[in-house]
Amino acid sequence: ETGVTQTPRHLVMGMTNKKSLKCEQHLGHNAMYWYKQSAKKPLELMFVYSLEERVENNSVPSRFSPECPNSSHLFLHLHTLQPEDSALYLCASSQGWRGSYNEQFFGPGTRLTVL
Amino acid sequence: TQLLEQSPQFLSIQEGENLTVYCNSSSVFSSLQWYRQEPGEGPVLLVTVVTGGEVKKLKRLTFQFGDARKDSSLHITAAQPGDTGLYLCAGVGTYKYIFGTGTRLKVLA
Repeated sequence: ETGVTQTPRHLVMGMTNKKSLKCEQHLGHNAMYWYKQSAKKPLELMFVYSLEERVENNSVPSRFSPECPNSSHLFLHLHTLQPEDSALYLCASSQGWRGSYNEQFFGPGTRLTVL
Repeated sequence: TQLLEQSPQFLSIQEGENLTVYCNSSSVFSSLQWYRQEPGEGPVLLVTVVTGGEVKKLKRLTFQFGDARKDSSLHITAAQPGDTGLYLCAGVGTYKYIFGTGTRLKVLA
């Protein structure tokens, strides 16, 4: 595997379910990100982890819970979601997380549908 | 709240035509990036511009950063069907990435 991978690619869940999204980067990067991409809205940064420490949390509801066990893996745990949480969830990684030339490498995303 | 407005939102053109996409903000950024996203994939970085007034070329794509580092443009010459996709600008601040509203481009053969 190369680059940034995400599983599952598609997920349908009910509002009372608990599920997790997984992201893995094979690039040796130190920073990882979760983004939400909804129709008609800009890409929204949710969380940033740098060297396994959460350094950014953009007022995301507590029903989204990130976990970064090591610099290669990032999870997003989901529970009691709402239909408006249906979106494409993108994971990204970068060498650092500050600096003008910081390039983020994105995974293909998980298409989440909440019924 | 920092916002990056892109225009146009949608663009459908014939192969061979030229086009320009704009990315505007009232905020100053330390740099600005352009990404292209194709269906079923994540965004892929095309270019980073850092200096006010900077112009960068990537084959048929020309990127410019505004003098005040608040806006940017992407110009495509002789568009091809392979240029079809969602173009996103992203303003990079000290601790923030702000993505633009996106321009969905379709180039017809």
